[in-house]
Amino acid sequence: GQNIDQPTEMTATEGAIVQINCTYQTSGFNGLFWYQQHAGEAPTFLSYNVLDGLEEKGRFSSFLSRSKGYSYLLLKELQMKDSASYLCAVSHKLIFGAGTRLAVHP
Amino acid sequence: GAVVSQHPSWVICKSGTSVKIECRSLDFQATTMFWYRQFPKQSLMLMATSNEGSKATYEQGVEKDKFLINHASLTLSTLTVTSAHPEDSSFYICSASLTGNNSPLHFGNGTRLTVT
Repeated sequence: GQNIDQPTEMTATEGAIVQINCTYQTSGFNGLFWYQQHAGEAPTFLSYNVLDGLEEKGRFSSFLSRSKGYSYLLLKELQMKDSASYLCAVSHKLIFGAGTRLAVHP
Repeated sequence: GAVVSQHPSWVICKSGTSVKIECRSLDFQATTMFWYRQFPKQSLMLMATSNEGSKATYEQGVEKDKFLINHASLTLSTLTVTSAHPEDSSFYICSASLTGNNSPLHFGNGTRLTVT
């Protein structure tokens, strides 16, 4: 079977750092994606990890450990516009986790 | 960059009628497109994988006779919700990738369907 777990909600303060975790158990794996989705809009691509380690892209970084079935998305220097849902998704068939709703407060 | 266009953005229909949603890849050819459904405050649920020139592959629990998928060309997939009911009201999103499993999906803007 396939199972992807991530926290339902998180809150953080503007300017802070937040880490959103994702654990997965899937029968097939071709990499892990992180997407951002604002309410009422389609998801937008943030990052992709296929090998273990950290991928950094500006304020966002994503980490993957295949042996542990674990990934996290790290958001630095949080801005109000970062308030959104963050979805981790596992390829092969791109099954999505339930998403983490992040609320950034001033 | 790759663009996926979805139409209409929103639609309101009466119970029992059918609704067609179009998904187009504007600047690339997509042999595979995906259809998702998202209820409020829930994640995207994969409904089916649309394969150009062949039958769609439906996920468990998705009625293929109710959600008709046609992928007649490399740039167009359509989802028809037949005999819609209020419980079919949802946000439907299509997506496509450039080269397959290891490429990020590019999403259409979604279609908000309301069945009255």
